[in-house]
Parts: sequence; C-alpha cells; structure tokens
Amino acid sequence: DTAVSQTPKYLVTQMGNDKSIKCEQNLGHDTMYWYKQDSKKFLKIMFSYNNKELIINETVPNRFSPKSPDKAHLNLHINSLELGDSAVYFCASSRVDAAYGYTFGSGTRLTVV
Amino acid sequence: AQTVTQSQPEMSVQEAETVTLSCTYDTSESDYYLFWYKQPPSRQMILVIRQEAYKQQNATENRFSVNFQKAAKSFSLKISDSQLGDAAMYFCAYIRSQGGSEKLVFGKGTKLTVNP
Repeated sequence: DTAVSQTPKYLVTQMGNDKSIKCEQNLGHDTMYWYKQDSKKFLKIMFSYNNKELIINETVPNRFSPKSPDKAHLNLHINSLELGDSAVYFCASSRVDAAYGYTFGSGTRLTVV
Repeated sequence: AQTVTQSQPEMSVQEAETVTLSCTYDTSESDYYLFWYKQPPSRQMILVIRQEAYKQQNATENRFSVNFQKAAKSFSLKISDSQLGDAAMYFCAYIRSQGGSEKLVFGKGTKLTVNP
C-alpha cells in the first residue's frame, strides 16, 4: 500500500507543451511538498502546502502552478515546458512539525525534448 | 539561511568494511532535526536515520549510526558491515523544528560505491 504515490513515473514531452504530475498520500499528513532534483542530484524545494494552503513558494517560474484539492493531494501543473525543466520531480508529505522527516514519492522523471 | 554541506562527493568502501560519510550544517537555532536519506538507483528517497538536536545520544538503526556533534554542527553517518545494497547517493538534511513554514534543506549528496 503506497504511502506517497505520484504519477506518471516518466514523462517525455515536447517544448511548449503543458503537463501535470499528480501526487496522493494516504498517511494522514497535513503538509505536502514538491521538490526538484536536477541533473547533479541536488534537491531543492519548490512548494509546500499545509492543509490545502500554500505555505512555501520558492523562486519558481510562474509556469509552475501547484494545486491542492484536499490535504491528501498535491498536483503540479507546468505550462509552456522548456528544456531546462527536465529533471526529476518529487512529491513528499510530512507531519506539520516534520519531526520524522518527509516521506517521498518515487519521483517523476520529466524529459523535455 | 540554513545550509548543509557534504564535503565528499564520492566515497567507496569494501564489502563488510565500515565507512563514514561527513555532513556539516550551519544554523543559529538550538532546536532542529537532522536526517540521512538514501537514494539508490531506483531513485526512491529512503529515510535512513534521524536525530533530534536536543538529544545528546547518537541515533542508531541497525548497521547505521550517527556521530552528532552539536557544538561543531557536525552530523556524520557511519555504515558498518557495508553491503552491496548500501550503494547509493546519501543525502544529509536539516529542518528547524518550528513546523508549518519550515522546509527540509538537503546537502549535495555523497555517492557511495560498495566494492565486492
């Protein structure tokens, strides 16, 4: 029974297209996140939501828009994809105090051609 | 801003030997959590071990243990009796224990190779 599931696992698309990545957690956590892992494996936060409310919005282009319909779901929509958006995107969730760290999804490898 | 530094981009160890991965962090806070995550080639991020800053006792999980030196802001990971399955990227991470608006900050990672 997957704790944090994100789909799709792989996404190959052309420049200029719009795509979405979905994420769901069944851990009862109140907080969810999107992280981007670049080609050098560096992990950087993009967004966090606490109970459907946007809490953290790092310096991410406006083409990236998170949506949280409820506290168990956090989706990421990307408009007008660019080559530089190619990366692995991780969804994660945690308790509000994050005392036990984050539980991550298996990642979505996005390739823009 | 808090930063996490892993000074060893790559490390290697012989199977059954012991290896230590280094991590230092910068913070002015007294209450926080530290973590080590493992990322094997499967890409999954797996929590290996956690440490609460207010606890002086070093955390241990089976073959994995940490050396937490709060004053030195150092948090190294020791892997004993290394196994082939330990080969992975290892990330050190920090979060302030305020909750809500805080974020987990990662180091750049150490790639561990285990030689048979």
